[in-house]
Amino acid sequence: EIVMTQSPATLSVSPGERATLSCRASQSVSSNLAWYQQKPGQAPRLLISGASTRATGIPARFSGSGSGTEFTLTISSLQSEDFAVYYCQHSGSWPPGSFGQGTKLEIK
Amino acid sequence: QVQLQESGPGLVKPSETLSLTCTVSGASISSYYWSWIRQPPGKGLESIGYIYYSGNTNYNPSLKSRVTISIDTSKNQFFLKLSSVTAADTAVYFCARLYNSGWYDFWGQGTLVTVSS
Repeated sequence: EIVMTQSPATLSVSPGERATLSCRASQSVSSNLAWYQQKPGQAPRLLISGASTRATGIPARFSGSGSGTEFTLTISSLQSEDFAVYYCQHSGSWPPGSFGQGTKLEIK
Repeated sequence: QVQLQESGPGLVKPSETLSLTCTVSGASISSYYWSWIRQPPGKGLESIGYIYYSGNTNYNPSLKSRVTISIDTSKNQFFLKLSSVTAADTAVYFCARLYNSGWYDFWGQGTLVTVSS
């Protein structure tokens, strides 16, 4: 089973600054990596699929990069609505999902 | 716009079977893969399994012995049954579309199921 590890667990960033979130896979997943944003009391929202393709309606300030075992989600200029928990997910094979444990992005 | 809505009991007794329904609108269920995911309070996401409209299923090995996912294409609904539940199964249960058998692009709002006597 592929294990996804996210870091850091909590990231404190000021509005307007850049945030960089990391996700590591225990073995290569090629570009089969998705990112989600989840706000309290809401379902996760797909941000990125295929490691770097923004989902429909996702602002350009969100970008994904990486392949193999190392991935990054970058939010270029944080807006107030971006403070949330972010999950990465191995999207390539079954067992399903292999979500990371999440990174909480909080206001500094 | 694809919309999903979970429904079912919010309270289940230990050792009983948890049963949920997901109703899909805005898209035919006779395409794509359809999934269940859960999230224990304050914790992360866990995929439970998926079903294709043909009825083919695949389950998380950690839950496989207790899980059944089924589908009714005439009603545009799919279903989750989880047997022999314990307190560890207390979670928000989400249904979602699994696009390209890879990522979850549309989600229901989630429903909290509590296992307690």
